[in-house]
Amino acid sequence: AQTVTQSQPEMSVQEAETVTLSCTYDTSENNYYLFWYKQPPSRQMILVIRQEAYKQQNATENRFSVNFQKAAKSFSLKISDSQLGDTAMYFCAFMMGISNFGNEKLTFGTGTRLTIIP
Amino acid sequence: SAVISQKPSRDICQRGTSLTIQCQVDSQVTMMFWYRQQPGQSLTLIATANQGSEATYESGFVIDKFPISRPNLTFSTLTVSNMSPEDSSIYLCSVGRGPYNEQFFGPGTRLTVL
Repeated sequence: AQTVTQSQPEMSVQEAETVTLSCTYDTSENNYYLFWYKQPPSRQMILVIRQEAYKQQNATENRFSVNFQKAAKSFSLKISDSQLGDTAMYFCAFMMGISNFGNEKLTFGTGTRLTIIP
Repeated sequence: SAVISQKPSRDICQRGTSLTIQCQVDSQVTMMFWYRQQPGQSLTLIATANQGSEATYESGFVIDKFPISRPNLTFSTLTVSNMSPEDSSIYLCSVGRGPYNEQFFGPGTRLTVL
């Protein structure tokens, strides 16, 4: 079974600063996907960014980027130029590779509550 | 992405009663997923609903407590049966889309059991 660990229950940062959220995972699989989801107070789960395990290049989506270290099983999220709207719970999630049809379920970490301070 | 709606958005129920939550997707999908998010906690998968077959439940969840229907490729229901205060949670459905089967979530149903 896979496990996902987020060791930072809460973080806060000043607006416009950069913040990094940590995530580690454990799996014996070689083909998998990692995700960061954002859950604002509205409780809607929003996909922030995706990383395929077979890609060495770190994924980037505008102000959001990841540092994916496959050997270390680490998958951190960096938010640059943070904005007030980034205030939310952030969840790291693991999914087995699509070749394992029927195993598209997500395993979530416990989340990090991020507050952006004006 | 996917357009997913859930009904009801929230409800307050009495102990011992049952509530059925509906999830509607804007296009056909093979599998739908139901998650529970207890207060202040992360999301935990309850079951996977595949059209035309019995749902597959995760460890700790049973069909008698959380019966699921999947009558067609765009709709599913989750029933929370014989509720107790411990069932107070947000219940979310999700579907996979795109080449990587990224999961997109509905807005959730906030359930409070008194």
